[in-house]
Amino acid sequence: AQKVTQAQTEISVVEKEDVTLDCVYETRDTTYYLFWYKQPPSGELVFLIRRNSFDEQNEISGRYSWNFQKSTSSFNFTITASQVVDSAVYFCAPTPYSGAGSYQLTFGKGTKLSVIP
Amino acid sequence: EAQVTQNPRYLITVTGKKLTVTCSQNMNHEYMSWYRQDPGLGLRQIYYSMNVEVTDKGDVPEGYKVSRKEKRNFPLILESPSPNQTSLYFCASSLSLGTDTQYFGPGTRLTVL
Repeated sequence: AQKVTQAQTEISVVEKEDVTLDCVYETRDTTYYLFWYKQPPSGELVFLIRRNSFDEQNEISGRYSWNFQKSTSSFNFTITASQVVDSAVYFCAPTPYSGAGSYQLTFGKGTKLSVIP
Repeated sequence: EAQVTQNPRYLITVTGKKLTVTCSQNMNHEYMSWYRQDPGLGLRQIYYSMNVEVTDKGDVPEGYKVSRKEKRNFPLILESPSPNQTSLYFCASSLSLGTDTQYFGPGTRLTVL
């Protein structure tokens, strides 16, 4: 089974500051996927990114970037020049790839980000 | 429009009164699942289904039932709801394996008095 730790329960930043959300996971699986989801105050869950364990390249998408380091089992998420609309709860979710018949997504407890204007 | 729908969105009920929360997806996804979200606990998986007539327990299945008679629908059934099932419930679907991106419904806020 996977275990995921999002040590930061709540973070507050002032608009335009950069912020990094930490995610550390534990898994015995050699192949797995990692997801980040966003839950804005309106409550829906929005998919942000999916990465597999073979690909440790960092990824940048606009103001978002992800740093995946297999050696430290971390998959951190950075928002550059934060905006008020980034205020949300962010969830990290590792999933093992165990072939057909295994399907369990484990979510971290989430990090609540508040961006203050 | 590709989407996952849930009904009802809000429900207040009393202990012991059977209820069903419906979930439907129009993306022809094989995999569907139910989660509950509670403060401080994040999202926890209740049940999942890999295809029609194939379901399995997640982390917190006690007190819940599911069925998957059609590919598009995956209702969550509470035969005898109790106050500790007061929660925010999400249905999700994905194309095939759990490693595919899951698409979530808008959520159902359930209060059991």
